[in-house]
Amino acid sequence: NAGVTQTPKFRILKIGQSMTLQCAQDMNHNYMYWYRQDPGMGLKLIYYSVGAGITDKGEVPNGYNVSRSTTEDFPLRLELAAPSQTSVYFCASSYGIRSVTDTQYFGPGTRLTVL
Amino acid sequence: KNEVEQSPQNLTAQEGEFITINCSYSVGISALHWLQQHPGGGIVSLFMLSSGKKKHGRLIATINIQEKHSSLHITASHPRDSAVYICAVVNSGGSNYKLTFGKGTLLTVNP
Repeated sequence: NAGVTQTPKFRILKIGQSMTLQCAQDMNHNYMYWYRQDPGMGLKLIYYSVGAGITDKGEVPNGYNVSRSTTEDFPLRLELAAPSQTSVYFCASSYGIRSVTDTQYFGPGTRLTVL
Repeated sequence: KNEVEQSPQNLTAQEGEFITINCSYSVGISALHWLQQHPGGGIVSLFMLSSGKKKHGRLIATINIQEKHSSLHITASHPRDSAVYICAVVNSGGSNYKLTFGKGTLLTVNP
């Protein structure tokens, strides 16, 4: 199993550009998550999905959109990139909704810089 | 005030030393997770605790629900243990999907 994969690993965007961060998992997990990690700060949840066709906002959703057309894929879309979106983005997945008992498996991250 | 506070922020140790990293939280929780973030950036889950103590190899995690405190111990530390260690809690009053993360503790183990 590849686990959770993310592409690209690095990207530089200009202000106002758009891009999609790709995330895929091959563990047949129902739940998928997008986090951002800013320097010196804890991870923050952007969006999550509980299954194909179902998504919901996390703590910091502004400026982002997601879709979940299949169990495997959970892309994150930035429509109009802003410098405040410079961050490292992590995708994660877990089998069930109960974080109490379900380990989240993280992808390797995408380092995004907006200039 | 952050819901999850970790201490110390940075920790430097010599190989072989016993390491303790602390996590305090201010809300009622269902569970607490310890994660490790490698220098290359990858994040892996180490432990999930809802009570008591867990051990995996040289790593031991404890939690005291009444005191709202957890510790991660590393025995016989090794340079390969150098990483950021992150504490995350599941708020018992919130959605079970959501983890609230601490800022992490950067551990450097020198040979």
